[in-house]
Amino acid sequence: EAGVVQSPRYKIIEKKQPVAFWCNPISGHNTLYWYRQNLGQGPELLIRYENEEAVDDSQLPKDRFSAERLKGVDSTLKIQPAELGDSAVYLCASSLVAGETQYFGPGTRLLVL
Amino acid sequence: GENVEQHPSTLSVQEGDSAVIKCTYSDSASNYFPWYKQELGKRPQLIIDIRSNVGEKKDQRIAVTLNKTAKHFSLHITETQPEDSAVYFCAASKNNQGGKLIFGQGTELSVKP
Repeated sequence: EAGVVQSPRYKIIEKKQPVAFWCNPISGHNTLYWYRQNLGQGPELLIRYENEEAVDDSQLPKDRFSAERLKGVDSTLKIQPAELGDSAVYLCASSLVAGETQYFGPGTRLLVL
Repeated sequence: GENVEQHPSTLSVQEGDSAVIKCTYSDSASNYFPWYKQELGKRPQLIIDIRSNVGEKKDQRIAVTLNKTAKHFSLHITETQPEDSAVYFCAASKNNQGGKLIFGQGTELSVKP
């Protein structure tokens, strides 16, 4: 069974530029999570999807961050414009249903210069 | 909201010794406690988890104990091996938050041959 897939693995951009991350969850998993992991810290939830509906986006900085999960399968997280403080690893995770085991993707390491 | 504290931040042991990592949580409604292992540049991988209806769970060299009264849970690794070297994260979640994981700060475990 394929795990959670994310791309790109690495991204370097200049501040004020836009950037997008893509995630394909494990097949059949209804719940999808985006986390941000700063260096030396644990992941922090940005947004959670149940199928195509964003049910928890309270931690998402909505002035610059947006996300979508069209058709309830893969998802895209976007930052526009990026700031220096956005440098982090962006992790996608999925679970069969909410509350069950979460499986993480390899993450996208973002560096904003 | 929930807060998870993890100690120690770094732990160095000799190969074959045991390692113990402890976490405390603040929200008594939390009922799911997973532990993730993250090697450098890799995805967090679930190694063991426990739900609040049990006090202990074991899987070969790894065990987790939960004390609901004191609101703390611990990871125990016996007969440590160099390949156990990684950062370990504890986390907590509760049913009515749809699986939102609140992570501890991480423990960097180093197993010396």
